[in-house]
Amino acid sequence: GAVVSQHPSRVICKSGTSVKIECRSLDFQATTMFWYRQFPKQSLMLMATSNEGSKATYEQGVEKDKFLINHASLTLSTLTVTSAHPEDSSFYICSAIGDRGTGYGYTFGSGTRLTVV
Amino acid sequence: QQQVKQSPQSLIVQKGGISIINCAYENTAFDYFPWYQQFPGKGPALLIAIRPDVSEKKEGRFTISFNKSAKQFSLHIMDSQPGDSATYFCAAFIIQGAQKLVFGQGTRLTINP
Repeated sequence: GAVVSQHPSRVICKSGTSVKIECRSLDFQATTMFWYRQFPKQSLMLMATSNEGSKATYEQGVEKDKFLINHASLTLSTLTVTSAHPEDSSFYICSAIGDRGTGYGYTFGSGTRLTVV
Repeated sequence: QQQVKQSPQSLIVQKGGISIINCAYENTAFDYFPWYQQFPGKGPALLIAIRPDVSEKKEGRFTISFNKSAKQFSLHIMDSQPGDSATYFCAAFIIQGAQKLVFGQGTRLTINP
């Protein structure tokens, strides 16, 4: 089946530094990748949609300069949290949808727990 | 109109019982309805999904019932087991559209042994 690998699973960083999270589709080409943020005991909140080779589309209220998304290839998307602050601490999850259409549905990564101290 | 409303927020079921989670939607353009299971600290995993041209889909102990006219769908977990304790999300999206998943609010299911 389709597998999406997300790395790292946990990261602690100091306030003011930047953190990069990687999302890779291992056995399929991901035409579109999505980045979500999840607060404790809440649903997933879509942050942005990225297509390979083009600029990401951000949801309303998401700061594009703070959350930099790069989708450099059909198997890799990265989310960089720039100048992180404690309020950026959250669970970040990526997902990908492949070129086989809805037969895959979405495949989610295992998530990254970001803690900014 | 883009919302998917899910209930209950939390559910406690005895081992061996039936767990039922309900969702409702407004946008009739939605044409794919997946359910996801999420364990703490993990990403959601696809459990089962249905298209609106089907009224029921069963996979093992998991069944989706779909009522197109009422714009409602539900997940039934038969013979619920402690290992089923997790958070469940219903979702919806438009296959030929932007393909953004619209999630329900989630249901925290606890199966008591």
